[in-house]
Amino acid sequence: AQKITQTQPGMFVQEKEAVTLDCTYDTSDQSYGLFWYKQPSSGEMIFLIYQGSYDEQNATEGRYSLNFQKARKSANLVISASQLGDSAMYFCAMREGRTGANSKLTFGKGITLSVRP
Amino acid sequence: NAGVTQTPKFQVLKTGQSMTLQCAQDMNHEYMSWYRQDPGMGLRLIHYSVGAGITDQGEVPNGYNVSRSTTEDFPLRLLSAAPSQTSVYFCASSANLIRDSEFFGPGTRLTVL
Repeated sequence: AQKITQTQPGMFVQEKEAVTLDCTYDTSDQSYGLFWYKQPSSGEMIFLIYQGSYDEQNATEGRYSLNFQKARKSANLVISASQLGDSAMYFCAMREGRTGANSKLTFGKGITLSVRP
Repeated sequence: NAGVTQTPKFQVLKTGQSMTLQCAQDMNHEYMSWYRQDPGMGLRLIHYSVGAGITDQGEVPNGYNVSRSTTEDFPLRLLSAAPSQTSVYFCASSANLIRDSEFFGPGTRLTVL
Protein backbone atom coordinates (compact mmCIF):
# COMPACT_ATOMS: atom_id res chain seq x y z
CA ALA A 1 0.00 0.00 0.00
CA GLN A 2 1.17 3.51 -0.72
CA LYS A 3 2.34 5.35 2.35
CA ILE A 4 1.33 8.76 1.00
CA THR A 5 -1.63 9.21 -1.30
CA GLN A 6 -2.40 12.33 -3.26
CA THR A 7 -5.17 11.56 -5.70
CA GLN A 8 -6.55 14.92 -6.76
CA PRO A 9 -6.14 15.77 -10.40
CA GLY A 10 -4.85 19.19 -11.31
CA MET A 11 -6.47 21.74 -9.04
CA PHE A 12 -7.62 25.20 -10.03
CA VAL A 13 -8.43 28.10 -7.73
CA GLN A 14 -9.38 31.71 -8.25
CA GLU A 15 -6.94 34.28 -6.95
CA LYS A 16 -7.70 35.36 -3.37
CA GLU A 17 -9.78 32.26 -2.66
CA ALA A 18 -8.82 29.40 -0.36
CA VAL A 19 -7.94 25.92 -1.60
CA THR A 20 -7.45 22.55 0.10
CA LEU A 21 -4.98 19.99 -1.18
CA ASP A 22 -5.63 16.47 0.05
CA CYS A 23 -3.17 14.00 1.52
CA THR A 24 -3.79 10.68 3.21
CA TYR A 25 -1.10 8.54 4.76
CA ASP A 26 -0.58 5.03 6.01
CA THR A 27 1.61 4.09 8.96
CA SER A 28 1.57 1.80 11.94
CA ASP A 29 4.00 4.00 13.87
CA GLN A 30 2.68 6.16 16.67
CA SER A 31 5.40 8.72 16.11
CA TYR A 32 5.66 10.32 12.70
CA GLY A 33 5.91 13.66 10.99
CA LEU A 34 4.08 15.04 8.00
CA PHE A 35 5.48 17.66 5.65
CA TRP A 36 4.29 19.69 2.71
CA TYR A 37 6.65 20.96 0.02
CA LYS A 38 6.08 23.31 -2.90
CA GLN A 39 7.83 22.90 -6.23
CA PRO A 40 7.36 25.85 -8.60
CA SER A 41 8.11 25.59 -12.29
CA SER A 42 11.70 26.63 -11.58
CA GLY A 43 12.18 23.22 -9.97
CA GLU A 44 13.39 23.88 -6.43
CA MET A 45 11.79 22.13 -3.47
CA ILE A 46 10.49 24.52 -0.83
CA PHE A 47 9.45 23.39 2.64
CA LEU A 48 6.07 24.82 3.66
CA ILE A 49 4.77 23.27 6.87
CA TYR A 50 5.24 20.43 9.35
CA GLN A 51 2.81 18.51 11.57
CA GLY A 52 3.93 16.04 14.21
CA SER A 53 1.76 13.09 15.14
CA TYR A 54 1.72 14.19 18.78
CA ASP A 55 1.04 17.84 18.05
CA GLU A 56 -2.30 18.73 19.57
CA GLN A 57 -2.96 21.73 17.37
CA ASN A 58 -3.03 22.00 13.62
CA ALA A 59 0.12 23.58 12.24
CA THR A 60 -0.02 27.03 10.67
CA GLU A 61 2.61 29.01 8.76
CA GLY A 62 1.35 32.29 7.38
CA ARG A 63 -1.21 31.53 4.68
CA TYR A 64 -0.61 27.79 5.02
CA SER A 65 -2.38 25.59 7.52
CA LEU A 66 -2.56 21.87 7.90
CA ASN A 67 -5.90 20.19 8.59
CA PHE A 68 -4.66 17.18 10.56
CA GLN A 69 -7.20 14.44 11.19
CA LYS A 70 -5.27 11.67 12.90
CA ALA A 71 -8.05 9.11 13.09
CA ARG A 72 -8.72 9.47 9.38
CA LYS A 73 -4.99 9.59 8.61
CA SER A 74 -5.32 12.73 6.60
CA ALA A 75 -3.13 15.82 6.50
CA ASN A 76 -4.65 18.28 4.08
CA LEU A 77 -2.92 21.53 3.20
CA VAL A 78 -5.07 24.65 3.20
CA ILE A 79 -3.83 27.72 1.37
CA SER A 80 -5.77 30.85 2.18
CA ALA A 81 -6.02 33.91 -0.05
CA SER A 82 -4.37 32.24 -3.04
CA GLN A 83 -1.84 34.23 -5.02
CA LEU A 84 -0.61 33.76 -8.56
CA GLY A 85 2.74 32.72 -7.16
CA ASP A 86 1.09 29.73 -5.47
CA SER A 87 0.82 28.01 -8.86
CA ALA A 88 3.11 25.01 -8.42
CA MET A 89 3.31 21.31 -7.69
CA TYR A 90 2.67 20.42 -4.05
CA PHE A 91 4.01 17.32 -2.36
CA CYS A 92 2.95 15.70 0.88
CA ALA A 93 5.61 13.63 2.66
CA MET A 94 5.95 11.56 5.82
CA ARG A 95 8.79 10.57 8.09
CA GLU A 96 8.20 7.68 10.46
CA GLY A 97 9.90 6.78 13.73
CA ARG A 98 11.44 8.74 16.54
CA THR A 99 15.06 8.98 15.60
CA GLY A 100 17.27 9.40 12.62
CA ALA A 101 17.64 5.68 12.23
CA ASN A 102 14.32 5.73 10.51
CA SER A 103 14.49 9.17 8.96
CA LYS A 104 13.51 8.28 5.45
CA LEU A 105 11.07 10.72 3.92
CA THR A 106 8.36 9.19 1.75
CA PHE A 107 6.68 11.44 -0.81
CA GLY A 108 3.32 11.39 -2.49
CA LYS A 109 3.07 11.84 -6.25
CA GLY A 110 2.11 15.48 -5.96
CA ILE A 111 -0.75 17.77 -6.91
CA THR A 112 -0.57 20.55 -9.48
CA LEU A 113 -2.23 23.77 -8.40
CA SER A 114 -3.03 26.54 -10.84
CA VAL A 115 -4.20 29.92 -9.58
CA ARG A 116 -6.40 31.87 -11.98
CA PRO A 117 -6.33 35.69 -12.01
CA ASN B 1 25.65 29.44 4.36
CA ALA B 2 25.39 27.96 0.90
CA GLY B 3 22.97 25.28 2.11
CA VAL B 4 22.92 22.21 -0.15
CA THR B 5 24.85 22.49 -3.39
CA GLN B 6 24.76 20.11 -6.33
CA THR B 7 26.89 19.89 -9.42
CA PRO B 8 26.42 19.73 -12.30
CA LYS B 9 23.02 21.32 -13.00
CA PHE B 10 22.66 19.59 -16.35
CA GLN B 11 24.34 16.52 -17.80
CA VAL B 12 23.96 14.43 -20.93
CA LEU B 13 25.46 10.95 -20.96
CA LYS B 14 25.63 8.13 -23.42
CA THR B 15 24.45 4.68 -22.42
CA GLY B 16 27.20 2.88 -20.55
CA GLN B 17 29.08 5.96 -19.39
CA SER B 18 29.73 6.54 -15.72
CA MET B 19 29.62 9.74 -13.76
CA THR B 20 29.38 11.18 -10.27
CA LEU B 21 26.80 13.72 -9.13
CA GLN B 22 28.27 15.86 -6.41
CA CYS B 23 26.40 17.02 -3.31
CA ALA B 24 27.68 19.08 -0.41
CA GLN B 25 26.09 20.77 2.58
CA ASP B 26 27.50 23.24 5.07
CA MET B 27 24.89 22.93 7.81
CA ASN B 28 26.60 20.07 9.68
CA HIS B 29 23.58 17.85 9.04
CA GLU B 30 23.91 14.19 9.87
CA TYR B 31 21.28 12.97 7.45
CA MET B 32 21.72 13.19 3.70
CA SER B 33 19.79 11.61 0.90
CA TRP B 34 19.44 11.31 -2.85
CA TYR B 35 16.10 11.31 -4.66
CA ARG B 36 15.08 11.03 -8.25
CA GLN B 37 12.03 12.76 -9.64
CA ASP B 38 10.18 11.41 -12.64
CA PRO B 39 6.91 12.76 -14.08
CA GLY B 40 3.89 11.47 -12.16
CA MET B 41 6.08 9.58 -9.66
CA GLY B 42 6.89 12.14 -7.02
CA LEU B 43 10.31 11.89 -5.41
CA ARG B 44 11.73 8.45 -4.83
CA LEU B 45 14.58 7.77 -2.43
CA ILE B 46 17.70 6.25 -3.98
CA HIS B 47 20.19 6.11 -1.10
CA TYR B 48 20.56 7.82 2.21
CA SER B 49 23.10 8.28 4.99
CA VAL B 50 22.60 8.93 8.70
CA GLY B 51 26.21 9.94 9.24
CA ALA B 52 29.74 9.73 7.89
CA GLY B 53 30.61 6.15 7.02
CA ILE B 54 26.97 4.97 7.13
CA THR B 55 24.84 4.54 4.03
CA ASP B 56 21.77 2.52 3.18
CA GLN B 57 19.51 1.81 0.25
CA GLY B 58 16.26 3.55 -0.42
CA GLU B 59 13.39 2.61 -2.68
CA VAL B 60 15.24 2.62 -6.04
CA PRO B 61 18.96 1.90 -5.42
CA ASN B 62 19.80 -0.25 -8.45
CA GLY B 63 22.41 1.26 -10.73
CA TYR B 64 23.63 3.77 -8.15
CA ASN B 65 26.40 3.79 -5.56
CA VAL B 66 27.06 6.20 -2.73
CA SER B 67 29.67 6.78 -0.06
CA ARG B 68 29.90 9.21 2.84
CA SER B 69 33.46 9.85 3.91
CA THR B 70 32.73 13.25 5.46
CA THR B 71 29.72 14.92 7.03
CA GLU B 72 29.64 17.50 4.26
CA ASP B 73 29.76 15.41 1.08
CA PHE B 74 27.51 12.71 -0.31
CA PRO B 75 28.29 11.90 -3.97
CA LEU B 76 26.06 9.70 -6.10
CA ARG B 77 27.75 7.48 -8.68
CA LEU B 78 26.16 6.07 -11.78
CA LEU B 79 28.28 3.08 -12.73
CA SER B 80 26.91 2.40 -16.22
CA ALA B 81 24.25 4.88 -17.26
CA ALA B 82 21.02 3.63 -18.80
CA PRO B 83 18.18 5.57 -20.47
CA SER B 84 15.95 4.60 -17.52
CA GLN B 85 18.15 6.79 -15.35
CA THR B 86 17.09 9.90 -17.22
CA SER B 87 15.60 11.97 -14.44
CA VAL B 88 16.00 14.97 -12.17
CA TYR B 89 18.15 14.17 -9.15
CA PHE B 90 17.86 15.97 -5.84
CA CYS B 91 20.22 15.81 -2.93
CA ALA B 92 18.88 16.76 0.50
CA SER B 93 20.09 17.04 4.06
CA SER B 94 18.51 17.43 7.49
CA ALA B 95 19.30 17.26 11.15
CA ASN B 96 18.59 13.81 12.44
CA LEU B 97 15.25 14.40 14.11
CA ILE B 98 11.79 13.46 12.97
CA ARG B 99 10.54 17.04 12.86
CA ASP B 100 13.41 18.40 10.83
CA SER B 101 12.58 19.30 7.28
CA GLU B 102 14.95 18.30 4.56
CA PHE B 103 16.82 21.04 2.77
CA PHE B 104 17.04 20.32 -0.92
CA GLY B 105 19.70 21.18 -3.42
CA PRO B 106 18.72 22.79 -6.74
CA GLY B 107 18.70 19.49 -8.61
CA THR B 108 20.59 17.92 -11.50
CA ARG B 109 18.80 17.22 -14.75
CA LEU B 110 20.34 14.10 -16.27
CA THR B 111 19.65 12.77 -19.74
CA VAL B 112 20.98 9.40 -20.84
CA LEU B 113 20.93 8.80 -24.57
